[in-house]
Amino acid sequence: DIQMTQSPSTLSASVGDRVTVTCRASQSINSWLTWYQQKPGKAPKLLISKASTLESGVPSRFSGSGSGTEFTLTISSLQPDDFATYYCQQYKSPPWTFGQGTRVEIK
Amino acid sequence: QVQLQESGPELVKPSETLSLTCAVSGYSITSGYYWVWVRQPPGKGLEWIGTINHSGTTYYNPSLKSRVSISVDTSKNQFFLNLNSVAAADTALYYCARDAGPMAVVGFFAYWGQGTLVTVSS
Repeated sequence: DIQMTQSPSTLSASVGDRVTVTCRASQSINSWLTWYQQKPGKAPKLLISKASTLESGVPSRFSGSGSGTEFTLTISSLQPDDFATYYCQQYKSPPWTFGQGTRVEIK
Repeated sequence: QVQLQESGPELVKPSETLSLTCAVSGYSITSGYYWVWVRQPPGKGLEWIGTINHSGTTYYNPSLKSRVSISVDTSKNQFFLNLNSVAAADTALYYCARDAGPMAVVGFFAYWGQGTLVTVSS
């Protein structure tokens, strides 16, 4: 199985901050990576696919980059609605696997 | 707009079988895409369980393959999860979802149900 590791596990930030979450794969997954946002009591919401393709309706302050084994999710200016947990997921090969999550909390 | 809704028992006894239904609305399962189960233990991360299409072709996570079965009823536009010999470690929020690929499995999920919490306890 491909292991996905996110860092940090928790991130404290303020509204307006630039925030970066890192995801590392245990082997190359090319660009076959997605990012999800999950709020308490809600299902994950797809933000980005193929490492950097923003899904329709997702604000442009979200961006993704990387390829191979190292990826980042960046929020250019953190908004109140962005406080949530973020998960990366590889879809290079099954079993599809997720990172353990990064919780973005209010500083 | 496709919508998915999970249903089933909230409490299952250890060693018994967990059975869940996902009702799909706004889209016919026979029109394409693959359909997915994902789970999330309380306070933990996400785990892909398995995937099925309208003709019954399935793919399972090897970690659960010996205990899991996913099936589909196209007449009801529903698909199902059975997980046998459950233990406390199977306590989780169970989500159904739709794979992003219209013709073949892609492996990520654009549409999700709200999830249903299943507790394994005597």
